[in-house]
Amino acid sequence: DTAVSQTPKYLVTQMGNDKSIKCEQNLGHDTMYWYKQDSKKFLKIMFSYNNKELIINETVPNRFSPKSPDKAHLNLHINSLELGDSAVYFCASSHLTVANTGELFFGEGSRLTVL
Amino acid sequence: GQQVMQIPQYQHVQEGEDFTTYCNSSTTLSNIQWYKQRPGGHPVFLIQLVKSGEVKKQKRLTFQFGEAKKNSSLHITATQTTDVGTYFCAGRSGSARQLTFGSGTQLTVLP
Repeated sequence: DTAVSQTPKYLVTQMGNDKSIKCEQNLGHDTMYWYKQDSKKFLKIMFSYNNKELIINETVPNRFSPKSPDKAHLNLHINSLELGDSAVYFCASSHLTVANTGELFFGEGSRLTVL
Repeated sequence: GQQVMQIPQYQHVQEGEDFTTYCNSSTTLSNIQWYKQRPGGHPVFLIQLVKSGEVKKQKRLTFQFGEAKKNSSLHITATQTTDVGTYFCAGRSGSARQLTFGSGTQLTVLP
């Protein structure tokens, strides 16, 4: 069983469209994340939810809206896609405590290409 | 905000040579983690260091956490082609809820 699964794996779309990426984890973790990895491999956190509560909201255009219907799911919706949104988006999960971030378990990534 | 710098950005080595990547934080870290991402893959957790001066080994990989808890290194002895990938450090400082990732070192091992 895949621990962190995200769909779709590939997304090719036109500028201006709206798209969603879904993520699910079956590890029983309480915290989920969205990371963006650009062409230079730099990993930048976008959002994090802990028990369905938004705890990290980095400087991300408000065209990006995360939604966490429950602890095991964290989806990402992107409105009015732009060329600069092309990247690989990784979902991750961990068990977060006061003392420790816990190791991150990443999904396989969703490669978004905006034409 | 917290910044984590990682050098070198790229490293090419002949198979059998050693490799080291260095990670430096602008702030004192409560812990540091290391991840490996194979080409086309996703980051996979390798190890976490918590204590000042800590050294941990995993077969040919040696991880160190600096005395001041502001820097770390990953050393691979006698690289193999299976070591190819991007190595990331990721640090957490104070009560921050998130890890800040370094820029990564892309390792190429030439057979």
